Amino acid sequence: DAGITQSPRHKVTETGTPVTLRCHQTENHRYMYWYRQDPGHGLRLIHYSYGVKDTDKGEVSDGYSVSRSKTEDFLLTLESATSSQTSVYFCAISESTGAPLHFGNGTRLTVT
Amino acid sequence: ELKVEQNPLFLSMQEGKNYTIYCNYSTTSDRLYWYRQDPGKSLESLFVLLSNGAVKQEGRLMASLDTKARLSTLHITAAVHDLSATYFCALGTYKYIFGTGTRLKVLA
Repeated sequence: DAGITQSPRHKVTETGTPVTLRCHQTENHRYMYWYRQDPGHGLRLIHYSYGVKDTDKGEVSDGYSVSRSKTEDFLLTLESATSSQTSVYFCAISESTGAPLHFGNGTRLTVT
Repeated sequence: ELKVEQNPLFLSMQEGKNYTIYCNYSTTSDRLYWYRQDPGKSLESLFVLLSNGAVKQEGRLMASLDTKARLSTLHITAAVHDLSATYFCALGTYKYIFGTGTRLKVLA
């Protein structure tokens, strides 16, 4: 398996609090992604990164920000969590354009 | 805007039967991917289809791509219980868009 670690694995937080999820890779891959998975919606792209400090929005980026200061780390921040952001969040990496994604084990986030 | 639709969304089938999952997409794409997700687990890559007419097979699964029809199929031959999972198709080369998934349950 590709070396991808997501932390935390589970988190419960209250509405209005900031939350940061971390994705750490040991593969030195250029591309990193954050997806959320919800029943009936499959996986939806939140943000992605194509290099250090290079990021772009995905399909559902409102309410989320990201940062990538090192190749190995990609952070997803919910500035003020809402109940609609309760979801399972997956990080994925890719070594090049057109290569398949390798996924982390996911973070289950519950916003109460 | 690229849209990816899968059908059926749910599929319950008996062991030994054949069935096909369909993936339709709205705009041209260089390549198409199939992934598998076991319940409560992460996703793993199954196939990458690179061109029109591409066909790939592994075990009881065979994937094909028709870029003119903007359609990919995942065919299951003689299903076994171990194939029970959710299957996703996805498109893109650096910004990957996923379908809604097909949840397959194979009954013994």
